[in-house]
Amino acid sequence: AQTVTQSQPEMSVQEAETVTLSCTYDTSENNYYLFWYKQPPSRQMILVIRQEAYKQQNATENRFSVNFQKAAKSFSLKISDSQLGDTAMYFCAFMKHSLHDMRFGAGTRLTVKP
Amino acid sequence: DTAVSQTPKYLVTQMGNDKSIKCEQNLGHDTMYWYKQDSKKFLKIMFSYNNKELIINETVPNRFSPKSPDKAHLNLHINSLELGDSAVYFCASRLGLGADTQYFGPGTRLTVL
Repeated sequence: AQTVTQSQPEMSVQEAETVTLSCTYDTSENNYYLFWYKQPPSRQMILVIRQEAYKQQNATENRFSVNFQKAAKSFSLKISDSQLGDTAMYFCAFMKHSLHDMRFGAGTRLTVKP
Repeated sequence: DTAVSQTPKYLVTQMGNDKSIKCEQNLGHDTMYWYKQDSKKFLKIMFSYNNKELIINETVPNRFSPKSPDKAHLNLHINSLELGDSAVYFCASRLGLGADTQYFGPGTRLTVL
């Protein structure tokens, strides 16, 4: 079974600074997808960024980028120039290429301080 | 023009009651899901439907019964509600087998008293 581990239950960062959230996963698969979802206090689940395992290039979406280390099974999220609106729970998620279900980590609560 | 919608957003009910949560997506997706998020924010898949057929049925009590009248709708009916059913329930959809990203509804907070 695939497991996703987020070892940082809570983190904080000053506005405008950079923060990195960690995620590791366990799988024997070669083809899969990885995601970071954001859940602000409104509880809406919002896709932040996605990565296909067969792509070596790290995904980037504006201020959000990932460091995907396939051999180490690591998928960290870097948020640059943190904004107050980035305050949220962040979930790392794994999905096998051939299956329907997504497995989530336990989440990291990020607080951006003014 | 909400992509994935759920009704109701909040549901407060007594133990032993039967309740339903509805989900609709207007994205033309083939696959829909129900997730449960517990009080510790842990998200776990419950069910998945592809083209109205049940694909995933995780170990959930049989008091939970999903129903998909068509590809755009996936409803969740819960019988004999228990205190432990209190959680936020999310519906999600995905284009199909070849796609990856799931799009989530706003969630339904269920409180069982």
